Amino acid sequence: DIQMTQSPTSLSTSVGDRVTITCRASQTISTYLNWFQQKPGKAPKLLIYAAFSLQSEVPSRFSGSGSGTDFTLTISSLQPEDFATYYCQQIYSTPYTFGQGTKLEIK
Amino acid sequence: EVQLVESGGGLVKPGGTLTLSCAASGFIFTTYTMNWVRQAPGKGLEWVSSISSGSSYIYYADSVKGRFTISRDNAKNALYLQMNTLRVEDTAVYYCARETPYTSDPDFDFWGQGTLVTVSS
Repeated sequence: DIQMTQSPTSLSTSVGDRVTITCRASQTISTYLNWFQQKPGKAPKLLIYAAFSLQSEVPSRFSGSGSGTDFTLTISSLQPEDFATYYCQQIYSTPYTFGQGTKLEIK
Repeated sequence: EVQLVESGGGLVKPGGTLTLSCAASGFIFTTYTMNWVRQAPGKGLEWVSSISSGSSYIYYADSVKGRFTISRDNAKNALYLQMNTLRVEDTAVYYCARETPYTSDPDFDFWGQGTLVTVSS
């Protein structure tokens, strides 16, 4: 199975900050990587697919990069509604594994 | 409008059985691979199972293999997850999510609201 390792697991940040979350795969997955945002009590919301493609209606302050084994999600200027938990997911091969999540908290 | 609506969750004793359903609408269900993903209380996301559009390809996480069965009824636009020999560690919110058949389109772009399964004596 492909292991996905996210870092950091939590981050204390402020509105307006630039935030970068990293995700590392245990083997190459090309660009078969999704990023999700999840708020408490809600289903995950797709932000980025195929490593760097912005999902429809997602603000352009979100961006993704990387290929192979190392990936990043960047939020260019954090907004109040962005405080949530973020997950990466590889869809290169089943089982489709997720990272352990990164929780953004208000500093 | 794309909609996925799960149902069938509830409280069940260890060793018991439960069947979840996911009703799909607003897209051509027969062309999409469908997935189940779960989330234990306070924990991360765990992919559970997937089924191809024509049911030819079915995959499971090791944690549920041999106990859970995924199926679909394309005539009813419905996805199912039969869960047997349930364990306390199967307690989670279960989501259904679609996977595109088109190379350039996003996967896991729509999810249901989830249904809670609680396994407890």
